[in-house]
Amino acid sequence: KNEVEQSPQNLTAQEGEFITINCSYSVGISALHWLQQHPGGGIVSLFMLSSGKKKHGRLIATINIQEKHSSLHITASHPRDSAVYICAVTATQFYFGTGTSLTVIP
Amino acid sequence: KAGVTQTPRYLIKTRGQQVTLSCSPISGHRSVSWYQQTPGQGLQFLFEYFSETQRNKGNFPGRFSGRQFSNSRSEMNVSTLELGDSALYLCASSLTSGGTDEQFFGPGTRLTVL
Repeated sequence: KNEVEQSPQNLTAQEGEFITINCSYSVGISALHWLQQHPGGGIVSLFMLSSGKKKHGRLIATINIQEKHSSLHITASHPRDSAVYICAVTATQFYFGTGTSLTVIP
Repeated sequence: KAGVTQTPRYLIKTRGQQVTLSCSPISGHRSVSWYQQTPGQGLQFLFEYFSETQRNKGNFPGRFSGRQFSNSRSEMNVSTLELGDSALYLCASSLTSGGTDEQFFGPGTRLTVL
């Protein structure tokens, strides 16, 4: 049983497209994190949410606590956005989604 | 401000050996969490330490252990290594415990077990 489900698993987009990655979870959480991992392994935290919506540059993250669902949006996608995006939730421990591999083609 | 550092970056061991990995958090951060990442299982939580105490633990066998020192540096130990322990081991630091703060990840230690 996966506590965190992400979709899609893989995503290819043209530069400039609007991208949405979805995350659903089945446990009670205290926070939800969106992480970005580039080839080579380094992980960067993009957002931490416990309610509502956050925006940072071209990235927007939303969470609906009642529906146990979060989305990560990338507006005006760029090839440098190519990475794996991982949803993680904090419950009694950290639970991670399997990640969404995004490729943005110039 | 220096980021999270992990040593060593690469390690090759044989089955049955033990290994110790080190993580130095960002200055002022008192929480250190450890994670295992494999192609098959993805990222999995090992444990979290805060102020030298283990606060949370994932679903890993007792061969995986850790500790935290008074300067917040943390070590992770894996005893009796198995082939399946080959993975990227990541640590992350944050100001507070419980995962409700931004996590800052280190570059990881890639462990290969032969």
